[in-house]
Amino acid sequence: QKEVEQNSGPLSVPEGAIASLNCTYSDRGSQSFFWYRQYSGKSPELIMFIYSNGDKEDGRFTAQLNKASQYVSLLIRDSQPSDSATYLCAALGGYSSASKIIFGSGTRLSIRP
Amino acid sequence: DTAVSQTPKYLVTQMGNDKSIKCEQNLGHDTMYWYKQDSKKFLKIMFSYNNKELIINETVPNRFSPKSPDKAHLNLHINSLELGDSAVYFCASSQYKDRVDTIYFGEGSWLTVV
Repeated sequence: QKEVEQNSGPLSVPEGAIASLNCTYSDRGSQSFFWYRQYSGKSPELIMFIYSNGDKEDGRFTAQLNKASQYVSLLIRDSQPSDSATYLCAALGGYSSASKIIFGSGTRLSIRP
Repeated sequence: DTAVSQTPKYLVTQMGNDKSIKCEQNLGHDTMYWYKQDSKKFLKIMFSYNNKELIINETVPNRFSPKSPDKAHLNLHINSLELGDSAVYFCASSQYKDRVDTIYFGEGSWLTVV
């Protein structure tokens, strides 16, 4: 069973601090990785994706990938109350459209003012 | 304009009924999906269609039947609804490009079976 594991949280971070969200995956064949943000009662929305080892930065967000350790993380700098949401990590198993994207169960992040 | 739209947004129905959820995407994507999100927030793929052809069919009861009349539409019909079918159903679409198959979700359909 191919899995994506996340700590369910809640993770509480003070406003302005760095929030660090972690994810591990079991399928070594996974090629691409995604972070989605889901507000309560809303649909998941893509924050960013990564497929190369190392860091990828987009504004206040940095995704980190370590394929050897099968580990993906998302750092949110200067956390804002609006960042409070559930963050879903996802892994894409291959290169074709028949590949499945497997989601983790999400980490609930709470930014306290 | 909403990229992936699905209707209805809320659906409350009795056990044993048959219901449908409709989905349309205007992104020009080749692939469409149905995902189910349960109360524990697990988002699980149910079906995937590529250019109207079924390519992923997870272990889903036969009571669930997807239909794709064209690549912009993917509907979900559910027969003999059960209490355990209560969940949020997300339609989504994607286009594989540059090693990435990024999924865009509709707003979800909240199904409650009573």
